[in-house]
Amino acid sequence: ETGVTQTPRHLVMGMTNKKSLKCEQHLGHNAMYWYKQSAKKPLELMFVYNFKEQTENNSVPSRFSPECPNSSHLFLHLHTLQPEDSALYLCASSQDTSGGPVRTQYFGPGTRLLVL
Amino acid sequence: GQNIDQPTEMTATEGAIVQINCTYQTSGFNGLFWYQQHAGEAPTFLSYNVLDGLEEKGRFSSFLSRSKGYSYLLLKELQMKDSASYLCAVLSSGSARQLTFGSGTQLTVLP
Repeated sequence: ETGVTQTPRHLVMGMTNKKSLKCEQHLGHNAMYWYKQSAKKPLELMFVYNFKEQTENNSVPSRFSPECPNSSHLFLHLHTLQPEDSALYLCASSQDTSGGPVRTQYFGPGTRLLVL
Repeated sequence: GQNIDQPTEMTATEGAIVQINCTYQTSGFNGLFWYQQHAGEAPTFLSYNVLDGLEEKGRFSSFLSRSKGYSYLLLKELQMKDSASYLCAVLSSGSARQLTFGSGTQLTVLP
């Protein structure tokens, strides 16, 4: 297995459900990211983890809860979502976010989420 | 704040050349990325520019003018498989380096 993988690829959930999205990277990177991609809108950065520590939370509602148990795995726990949260959720990884050479981010295929 | 503009859609013919423009206004700048995203797939890295000028990589080239806040992606000898969304993204400067994306340009290559 290579690159960045995400499961599930598709998810349908009701507003009262609790579900989790999983991301795994096999690139030896130390930084991981969650993005939201809605139709006709730019990718929006949600969370950044660098060496398992959360370094960015871009004003994301608390119904989205990230977890990074180690540098290779990233989760996004979902609860009491709203229909407007329906989107493609993309995970990415890079070497790290510290200063020095710029690090290219590599993306997973995303989880397409539909909230009913 | 960050503001990135690129055309929503473009159409071109197989074998032709197409230029996708991107303009940006950002509070800090540490380089500009271009990504390609096919429908239902992950964005894949195409190019990175941090200095002014043209970077060529096979059929794809990317240009940057920092003074004008402008970049373009040039695709030559277009192929049907080049039909995709092309995302322009600016990397902020400072300790919290973040990518801010444009809405993407949907390119359709016609036979």
